[in-house]
Amino acid sequence: QSALTQPRSVSASPGQSVTISCTGSSSDVGGYIFVSWYQQYPGKAPKLIIYEVSKRPSGVPDRFSGSKSGNTASLTISGLQADDEADYYCCSYAGSDIDVFGTGTKVTVL
Amino acid sequence: EVQLVESGGGLVQPGGSLKLSCATSGFTFSGSTLHWVRQAPGKGLEWVGRIRTKSQSFATAYAATVKGRFVMSRDDSENTAYLQMNSLKTEDTAVYYCSKEGEAHERWGQGTLVTVSS
Repeated sequence: QSALTQPRSVSASPGQSVTISCTGSSSDVGGYIFVSWYQQYPGKAPKLIIYEVSKRPSGVPDRFSGSKSGNTASLTISGLQADDEADYYCCSYAGSDIDVFGTGTKVTVL
Repeated sequence: EVQLVESGGGLVQPGGSLKLSCATSGFTFSGSTLHWVRQAPGKGLEWVGRIRTKSQSFATAYAATVKGRFVMSRDDSENTAYLQMNSLKTEDTAVYYCSKEGEAHERWGQGTLVTVSS
């Protein structure tokens, strides 16, 4: 049950795109479609922005997109905006009714 | 409107116990799987456990870091989930969130802070 690996931080200017990776193993990310992504502002609860690798909940802008290749999932934020500055976490089902979160990535809008 | 409200956090000594509650409204609680997720100060999210529905025999699963010390339960008549935490350690200090499973962890409470310290 090791945490999934994410870059500690990524940054870009407004309007640009950033991609956050989430690396696990064949026992979690690589083995299931149940990969999700969460946005969290300081002092606030996380918010679901992507589920089942690439699906967006109602109300989440299409600037947010997800994908997966092998044991690595990715979240891309296009057309970066100031209020995208937050922490982002991936999460994967890992079998035996267990979930595992990623280490988290801080997105900075320059 | 879907709401989850955690309560019961506070200061407890190492080795002590604490029981958290997650009161819910706005959805069919009895048909929903609930999770507990925690976040230590300045750290990332850590999945704690899951409790399934009556039709799934209230099955539970726990992270290795809390297995044998934490117990999840639920009262479908009160639309409330619980997390009984025993043999607490300083490393259990965190904000504890409950989340509703649907489209992944689709709704979260605001969290309750548990501090384990002497």
